[in-house]
Amino acid sequence: SYVLTQPPSVSVAPGKTATITCGGKNIGSKSVHWFQQRPGQAPVVVIHTDYDRPSGIPERFSGSNSGDTATLTISSVEAGDEADYYCQVWDTYTEFYVFGPGTRVTVL
Amino acid sequence: DVRLVESGGGLVQPGGSLTLSCAASGFFFSHFAMSWVRQAPGKGLEWVAAVSGSGSGTYYADSVNGRFMIARDNSNNTMSLQMKSLRAEDTAVYFCAKDYSQRGGYFDHWGQGILVTVSS
Repeated sequence: SYVLTQPPSVSVAPGKTATITCGGKNIGSKSVHWFQQRPGQAPVVVIHTDYDRPSGIPERFSGSNSGDTATLTISSVEAGDEADYYCQVWDTYTEFYVFGPGTRVTVL
Repeated sequence: DVRLVESGGGLVQPGGSLTLSCAASGFFFSHFAMSWVRQAPGKGLEWVAAVSGSGSGTYYADSVNGRFMIARDNSNNTMSLQMKSLRAEDTAVYFCAKDYSQRGGYFDHWGQGILVTVSS
């Protein structure tokens, strides 16, 4: 089955840039989606299809995907961005939805 | 607005059964695949099962295949997850989630989640 990897945690100072990676074999050939989950809440999609931002998501959130790594970038980080972030793809071989293990973003 | 509301969670003994329901509103229910996604305490997200828009196609993660059954009632805009032979490792918050497409897309809307606890 397809496996995604993410760093367990990322720490960033307010106003700086947070970079969260999602690794997978030839992930650049897949569509990658990113979810933000604040404590006690349901996940919310912040980036879909590699780099598209749903309405209502700040422009500070951006995504890219190439080779074996997809990246979620949060610029000008705010305290409210502190959350767990998950990447997700569709595995065309198994026809399963696959989530990464998640990255906890801490705002210092 | 899209709304997904789960119900039916609770405490169940190992080996027992439980059925979760998801009531949907605010979109053409039969046009979209739906899934259940769970999250064990302190852990990450795990996709559990999906059902196609028509209900004719059902898909399961290996961890629940043969024990769980997903279904939908398009006339009532509801989805269900029948869980049997429950194990301690099935303890989790279960989310109802709408696929952006027919299947294989991303989850653009989620319910608030419902807790299932498997314990004696």
